[in-house]
Amino acid sequence: AQSVSQHNHHVILSEAASLELGCNYSYGGTVNLFWYVQYPGQHLQLLLKYFSGDPLVKGIKGFEAEFIKSKFSFNLRKPSVQWSDTAEYFCAVRATDSWGKFQFGAGTQVVVTP
Amino acid sequence: NAGVTQTPKFQVLKTGQSMTLQCAQDMNHNSMYWYRQDPGMGLRLIYYSASEGTTDKGEVPNGYNVSRLNKREFSLRLESAAPSQTSVYFCASSRGGRGLTDTQYFGPGTRLTVL
Repeated sequence: AQSVSQHNHHVILSEAASLELGCNYSYGGTVNLFWYVQYPGQHLQLLLKYFSGDPLVKGIKGFEAEFIKSKFSFNLRKPSVQWSDTAEYFCAVRATDSWGKFQFGAGTQVVVTP
Repeated sequence: NAGVTQTPKFQVLKTGQSMTLQCAQDMNHNSMYWYRQDPGMGLRLIYYSASEGTTDKGEVPNGYNVSRLNKREFSLRLESAAPSQTSVYFCASSRGGRGLTDTQYFGPGTRLTVL
């Protein structure tokens, strides 16, 4: 069974700072990879996803993520954050060679200060 | 397209009471899921339905039952609520299957408090 590890539970940074959130998974087969964002009091929204092809994927709101297969990693980045990026971010993995349940990381709470 | 809808948005129960959380999707998805979200624990799968007519346990099924009423609707029932079931509950759906690609879409959640 796959597992997902998010490196930081809580990140605080100032507006205009760069953001990088780490995500590692443990599964040897082919996977789909996702980052979801949850704004305060709201549901999870899809930020971006990787299925195949170019390992650098761009999502909404200026986010991007890079899949490094050799490191089993899928890190999320944003060059310059805004106060409105304050949210919880979840990495998720889906194994393609089984029924394909989605496994979520524990989440990273990001607080952006003005 | 409403996507995934859930009712109610908020609910307060007393220990021992029962209730059903409703979920519906209009994306013609085959698979539907129920998760609970607790601080620091991410999302934990309670039950899922890979396709209409099937349901299976997830990581934390104890104290819950589900019904896949039809392709659109998937309900979660708490027969005798306990304070440990205080949580935010999310329903999700996806196209499903063993295909190479699939994406989950989430409902707005139900915030449940059990006193």
